[in-house]
Formats: sequence, structure tokens, C-alpha cells
Amino acid sequence: GAVVSQHPSWVICKSGTSVKIECRSLDFQATTMFWYRQFPKQSLMLMATSNEGSKATYEQGVEKDKFLINHASLTLSTLTVTSAHPEDSSFYICSAPQIQQGTQYFGPGTRLTVL
Amino acid sequence: GESVGLHLPTLSVQEGDNSIINCAYSNSASDYFIWYKQESGKGPQFIIDIRSNMDKRQGQRVTVLLNKTVKHLSLQIAATQPGDSAVYFCAENTGTGNQFYFGTGTSLTVIP
Repeated sequence: GAVVSQHPSWVICKSGTSVKIECRSLDFQATTMFWYRQFPKQSLMLMATSNEGSKATYEQGVEKDKFLINHASLTLSTLTVTSAHPEDSSFYICSAPQIQQGTQYFGPGTRLTVL
Repeated sequence: GESVGLHLPTLSVQEGDNSIINCAYSNSASDYFIWYKQESGKGPQFIIDIRSNMDKRQGQRVTVLLNKTVKHLSLQIAATQPGDSAVYFCAENTGTGNQFYFGTGTSLTVIP
């Protein structure tokens, strides 16, 4: 079946640094990918839609300058958390729709811990 | 975003019993729904989906029921096993842009 990977799986960083998370669709192309954030014991909250070759669209309340998204190819989207702070610590998950199958696959998630 | 909620935040069942997890959604324009299973520290795993032109769909040990009149769907797991212990989310899609909005989640615990 379709696979979506994320890298890294876990990152610990100091407050004020920037962290880049990669999302790849391994055996299919995705012109659109989605980024979610999940706090402990909570649901997934959609942050933004990553669009290949154009700007990402952000959900209400999500700072676009804080969470930079780049979708440079049909198989790769990156989320950069800029000037990370402890409150940005969360589980970040990406997903990609598999159009032929008409469904959506999720990556394994990236745990970000900001000290 | 959309509002998708669940009736029960936690559910405990005996191994071998059937489990029913419920979900209410608020957007009558939603036409595609997916149930996901999420184990601790992992990404959501697709279980089963259903489109709005259906009211029931069956998979292996799982059945999803959709009631568009009251905007409710449920996930039934037959002969629940310890490996079914996880958090289950329903997610809805309005067919535009492929964004999915997730419900609160139900934590299922299977008692051996």
C-alpha cells in the first residue's frame, strides 16, 4: 500500500532554534499534503495544506511565519518550526491523499521537544 | 475548521466482546468519512472509510455505519482483541481540497 514517511521521528532542540521536518510520499505523487499537530491526549488539528509549486494555505490561528511550509516536489513537503519555544513541543503528523485510491495516508509522526 | 465530536472519550471492553465507537459530525456537506486507529506515539492508521452514498460498509472485523439524517457514524469492532487497544478517530471530508477534520477521539481499552 501507499506509504508516507517522516524525518526525523523525534527531535529535541533548544528554545529559539529552528527545526525542519520532512514528509515524503514514497510510492506515489502528491500535489497536496497536509500538516497536523497533536498535543498529548488530544485530537489531530489541521495546521495547513501544502501545495506543490505554490504557497501553503493555513488554517485559522496558525502563524504562517512561524510554521514555514515548502512543497518543492511531488513527493516532498517540509515544515520548519522557526524560533521554536517549549509551547511548540508537540507531535507533528503529515498526510498525503492517494487520489487513485481515493483515500489519505498518514506519516508516522515527528515528536518535537523544545527545551 | 469543521466540528466533529465523539460521544465517549473512553471505552473499556472485555476481550472477545464487540465494541462500538460513536462519532457525531456537524457539517452536512461532508461526504466522505474515515475511521483511523492511532497507537501511542504513532501516526493514524486507516481502518475503514465510507462515502455519503452508503449507510454501511464492512471490512475485516469492522463495520462502519453512517446515518446522514442525524449526522452520526459509528465503528463496530467484532470480537475485540487486545491489539485493538488504541485511540480511534473519525475524520470527515467535504470533498473540497481533501482536508480531513478529526473528531476528539475515543480511547479503547481491551481487558484480557
